[in-house]
Amino acid sequence: GAGVSQSPSNKVTEKGKDVELRCDPISGHTALYWYRQRLGQGLEFLIYFQGNSAPDKSGLPSDRFSAERTGESVSTLTIQRTQQEDSAVYLCASSLGPGWTYEQYFGPGTRLTVT
Amino acid sequence: TQLLEQSPQFLSIQEGENLTVYCNSSSVFSSLQWYRQEPGEGPVLLVTVVTGGEVKKLKRLTFQFGDARKDSSLHITAAQPGDTGLYLCAGVKAAGNKLTFGGGTRVLVKP
Repeated sequence: GAGVSQSPSNKVTEKGKDVELRCDPISGHTALYWYRQRLGQGLEFLIYFQGNSAPDKSGLPSDRFSAERTGESVSTLTIQRTQQEDSAVYLCASSLGPGWTYEQYFGPGTRLTVT
Repeated sequence: TQLLEQSPQFLSIQEGENLTVYCNSSSVFSSLQWYRQEPGEGPVLLVTVVTGGEVKKLKRLTFQFGDARKDSSLHITAAQPGDTGLYLCAGVKAAGNKLTFGGGTRVLVKP
């Protein structure tokens, strides 16, 4: 079956512009995560959605970052007034349920470059 | 400062050699996972360890969780070029849903 897909695969934007990144999780997966990966580094947790519960936004680095998810389907991560330090790969993952007991399946990521 | 420290950051070896990657923390984790990530792709889960002292084997890969559940290691025997990639450890604290990732170890196995 289809895995997690993300679009666009690459995005180059000018400092100060807003960007929207999209994630299509695996069908039936109730949990969805967004992570940021800076060049050559590990993943930083950004936000977590589980079903209809309020999202865990504790990893969002500033109020310029926001994310939405429609039901148990598509999610969008929005970065407003982008800064150069926002340049990174943004990864989305989905899982059948909440917590570590359910394997997270990652998409290929969106590489964001802010010039 | 990362909650999970991985070492070394980079490892280059010849095909057939052995290697060990370490993941250390001052915090206790209820479980620890190891992932491998290849360029342009997302990480793929290799293993989850949950019990202190646990050892799991996956073909030529051996994973160990420390007795105190603060550290872990990944050992690869007779490495092959296909083992090349970024190895990431990730831990979950008790009653938590979020994974905390280490900084990664980049492994290059030369033919």
